[in-house]
Amino acid sequence: GENVEQHPSTLSVQEGDSAVIKCTYSDSASNYFPWYKQELGKRPQLIIDIRSNVGEKKDQRIAVTLNKTAKHFSLHITETQPEDSAVYFCAASINYKLSFGAGTTVTVRA
Amino acid sequence: NAGVTQTPKFQVLKTGQSMTLQCAQDMNHEYMSWYRQDPGMGLRLIHYSVGAGITDQGEVPNGYNVSRSTTEDFPLRLLSAAPSQTSVYFCASSGTKANSPLHFGNGTRLTVT
Repeated sequence: GENVEQHPSTLSVQEGDSAVIKCTYSDSASNYFPWYKQELGKRPQLIIDIRSNVGEKKDQRIAVTLNKTAKHFSLHITETQPEDSAVYFCAASINYKLSFGAGTTVTVRA
Repeated sequence: NAGVTQTPKFQVLKTGQSMTLQCAQDMNHEYMSWYRQDPGMGLRLIHYSVGAGITDQGEVPNGYNVSRSTTEDFPLRLLSAAPSQTSVYFCASSGTKANSPLHFGNGTRLTVT
């Protein structure tokens, strides 16, 4: 099955700085790569996703890049704010089977 | 629309007991799935369904059963609870296309003693 590795496991950034989370996947057939944000005690919620025919996607302060040759994708958050503090999960999907990374705990310091 | 509704929110079981976690969605989604979330391990797929009458195993199916008799409901059954099944369980659904965004329920926190 698909194996998704996510780094780093924890990330502390100063408010206003950028945060980058990187993920790799094992199965070259994966074709959908969503990112989820989970606040403490809450459900995961989709923040951005990218499909395999696109190399980059941006939504305001959030961007995702995909390198299919190297089988890795990254989440970039610019101008971080305290409300960006949460756990972020990457995932890779083949058809209906979505495999998640272990998560990155992001702390934004005021 | 309520979205994805899970019940109960919390449950404590003794080893060997059985129970059913309920999941219902009102978005007419074809795809439904169950994940468990454990510290440091992300979310792991237990079972999933691409439509009524169709179910399949995910990454960690042992000890769990599912059925999909209607589009709306996708219950998860623990046959004989074990301490290793202590976890937070999330139900999720998505639309008719493969690789549509998942909508998660609020989760069920299960403790097995």
